[in-house]
Amino acid sequence: DTGVSQNPRHKITKRGQNVTFRCDPISEHNRLYWYRQTLGQGPEFLTYFQNEAQLEKSRLLSDRFSAERPKGSFSTLEIQRTEQGDSAMYLCASSFPGLGLDNEQFFGPGTRLTVL
Amino acid sequence: TQLLEQSPQFLSIQEGENLTVYCNSSSVFSSLQWYRQEPGEGPVLLVTVVTGGEVKKLKRLTFQFGDARKDSSLHITAAQPGDTGLYLCAGGGGAQKLVFGQGTRLTINP
Repeated sequence: DTGVSQNPRHKITKRGQNVTFRCDPISEHNRLYWYRQTLGQGPEFLTYFQNEAQLEKSRLLSDRFSAERPKGSFSTLEIQRTEQGDSAMYLCASSFPGLGLDNEQFFGPGTRLTVL
Repeated sequence: TQLLEQSPQFLSIQEGENLTVYCNSSSVFSSLQWYRQEPGEGPVLLVTVVTGGEVKKLKRLTFQFGDARKDSSLHITAAQPGDTGLYLCAGGGGAQKLVFGQGTRLTINP
């Protein structure tokens, strides 16, 4: 399967713990995005990378959140000192401008985070 | 701030009926995408519309982009239980991010 993959699919943690999620984009895609989706809502943008450069971060991305894409391939999203309000589905998407239509993003299956 | 509003938020109809879902904004978008999302999964891209007035068809699904590129609609003909899911519209929000509507949860009853 050459789609976007995310690991783990589910994560249950206790408040105050740190968690890290991984996203592997479609191999030829140089743009990678992180979104967060809470129950009953559409996804909300968190941050995006072009190759290894993080080009934009949303105000939703507090200081406890950090994202990296060290070699321009896979990306990690870390949440430090988790809070119950961090419980959500974390979605990763990738795209390649010039391949298909601009802004056309393809999503992974998501990581469901539950903070107890 | 660009916002997309979808209506209705919930829709439950019988198999074989037709339906239309709307996606509206006060902002102009360079493109709009429609996604379908199953519970516990990521959104799956259905279609992208780019040109004002554009109409695209995907089997029983018809997508239209408004002339002013501020709104879009999704029409399903002869709905089937397999069409059940969360339908999301999303527009280009600048700097390549997508702005999503809150979704329309569609249930097709056999």
